[in-house]
Amino acid sequence: DAGVTQSPTHLIKTRGQQVTLRCSPISGHKSVSWYQQVLGQGPQFIFQYYEKEERGRGNFPDRFSARQFPNYSSELNVNALLLGDSALYLCASRGLRNTEAFFGQGTRLTVV
Amino acid sequence: KNEVEQSPQNLTAQEGEFITINCSYSVGISALHWLQQHPGGGIVSLFMLSSGKKKHGRLIATINIQEKHSSLHITASHPRDSAVYICAVNAGAQKLVFGQGTRLTINP
Repeated sequence: DAGVTQSPTHLIKTRGQQVTLRCSPISGHKSVSWYQQVLGQGPQFIFQYYEKEERGRGNFPDRFSARQFPNYSSELNVNALLLGDSALYLCASRGLRNTEAFFGQGTRLTVV
Repeated sequence: KNEVEQSPQNLTAQEGEFITINCSYSVGISALHWLQQHPGGGIVSLFMLSSGKKKHGRLIATINIQEKHSSLHITASHPRDSAVYICAVNAGAQKLVFGQGTRLTINP
């Protein structure tokens, strides 16, 4: 069984552009969470989706949005990119509440 | 003050040494995770625990709920253990709150 897969692995965008990152959870996992990890820091919570509904949102501007599809895969969208959005974006999937989290390899976004 | 604090931030040791990484948290939690992150970004879950102690190979994780403190120990450390070790806690719903990580370097 494949683990959590994220695409693309690397991405370079210019300021003001929009980006879409994708995540496929482990088969059977209905919860997907997104995290932003700036170089040298721990990951910061952006969104959590469960059964296609947003269940949690971190302290990020409205330029950040996400959705979850019927197959439980998820997309994270960032509009009007800023240099400060350059980071590793991690997706984590979980089964039931309070179970182990499984992480994807991340998408490294560079905004120039 | 961060909700999850790790110490030390950086640790360099010689192969074979016993390693301890500490994690303190200030919020109520339902579980604590120890994660390993290698260069390139991928995160691997090492342990999830809510009480007591867990052991896997040379890795041992303990948690003291009353003191809001957890430790990760590595016995007989090896250069391949070099990585960033991150403590994260379940703090409401399924949101994880992460520490800033401990960069471990094991020299041969």
